[in-house]
Amino acid sequence: AQSVSQHNHHVILSEAASLELGCNYSYGGTVNLFWYVQYPGQHLQLLLKYFSGDPLVKGIKGFEAEFIKSKFSFNLRKPSVQWSDTAEYFCAVSPNAGKSTFGDGTTLTVKP
Amino acid sequence: DTGVSQNPRHKITKRGQNVTFRCDPISEHNRLYWYRQTLGQGPEFLTYFQNEAQLEKSRLLSDRFSAERPKGSFSTLEIQRTEQGDSAMYLCASSLEQGGGNNEQFFGPGTRLTVL
Repeated sequence: AQSVSQHNHHVILSEAASLELGCNYSYGGTVNLFWYVQYPGQHLQLLLKYFSGDPLVKGIKGFEAEFIKSKFSFNLRKPSVQWSDTAEYFCAVSPNAGKSTFGDGTTLTVKP
Repeated sequence: DTGVSQNPRHKITKRGQNVTFRCDPISEHNRLYWYRQTLGQGPEFLTYFQNEAQLEKSRLLSDRFSAERPKGSFSTLEIQRTEQGDSAMYLCASSLEQGGGNNEQFFGPGTRLTVL
């Protein structure tokens, strides 16, 4: 069975600080990897995705993530956060054409 | 709005009552997923359909839960004899599966169920 671990439950940063959120997954086969964001009062939105090819993927709003197959990791990064990035972030893994398994989420609070 | 829609957005019910939720996926999407999310946790998979066929059902889904997608378009999730532990956000997502395995899922706003 697949599983996803997000190491940080709550991260607090000041504006302009750099962000890295950890995500490790457990699955033996080929997977698709996702980061979703949930802003306060809104529904889940896709930030970025990895299916194949270049392991460094870029998403919306300046976010990027790097897939490191040997470490089963897909960490999310942003060089300079803004107050508007305050949200909950979920990492998810899915085998090809199947259900997604989500981590428990990381709440990011950015102080102005 | 051509996104995934869910109705109702909120449902409050008494323990023991039956409830039904509806999900309308993005129109050309052939896959439809149901997830449940409780506070402090990520969404947990419940079940999914390809067209009208229910392809997988989680062991989390007790026999009080049933889902249908009769015409391969909208789906309903019914919970019979609700319990307080059923209180959660029920999320629906849809995707277009074309055989390449790239299954980006688009989520609806969810239905928040409160069982008193």
